[in-house]
Amino acid sequence: GAGVSQSPSNKVTEKGKDVELRCDPISGHTALYWYRQRLGQGLEFLIYFQGNSAPDKSGLPSDRFSAERTGESVSTLTIQRTQQEDSAVYLCASSFIAGNSYEQYFGPGTRLTVT
Amino acid sequence: KQEVTQIPAALSVPEGENLVLNCSFTDSAIYNLQWFRQDPGKGLTSLLLIQSSQREQTSGRLNASLDKSSGRSTLYIAASQPGDSATYLCAVSGRNAGNMLTFGGGTRLMVKP
Repeated sequence: GAGVSQSPSNKVTEKGKDVELRCDPISGHTALYWYRQRLGQGLEFLIYFQGNSAPDKSGLPSDRFSAERTGESVSTLTIQRTQQEDSAVYLCASSFIAGNSYEQYFGPGTRLTVT
Repeated sequence: KQEVTQIPAALSVPEGENLVLNCSFTDSAIYNLQWFRQDPGKGLTSLLLIQSSQREQTSGRLNASLDKSSGRSTLYIAASQPGDSATYLCAVSGRNAGNMLTFGGGTRLMVKP
């Protein structure tokens, strides 16, 4: 497909379980971002990957959150020992870093519900 | 720390009206400003991107302006249609290495037939 894809689209998990969310960026996009959107709140930046550079993890809310990216392809966001406050829509975006544009393209999101 | 504010939070207009959505940001040292549309239960669709050196961008019935020095942007929607009903988000990227976006809280727009 031409756009950013994410899976699963919905995930319901019990408190304390680990979850993995997946993002497939647009082919050729070197930068990948994770954001989350909790109910009634704005989008928050979580983590950023650019090529083979060390990721910027400054937005991760706790050490229960981690993410990996293999080269310039798929990324997984892992949340360990999930808590109810982790319930949110997790959005992935990618962009092509060139010139002065840096336009970010978003996937449809994964809606995580922690019960 | 950058803060982005959008006014109004919600707006309801009859079909055909021209309307303006407002966005303000506290740190003028931005790289880009993007306007997005978000439909319920869906991801974000990029509408317009304005680079910091630009004053405005147009796409169809949409026109976005940027006044970086005053920390403001407006999104103008001409001849609104019911299909324009959605939440509109403004986001700015700072002059940091990653150009991560800082989002406003959004304006929820309803266009009534």
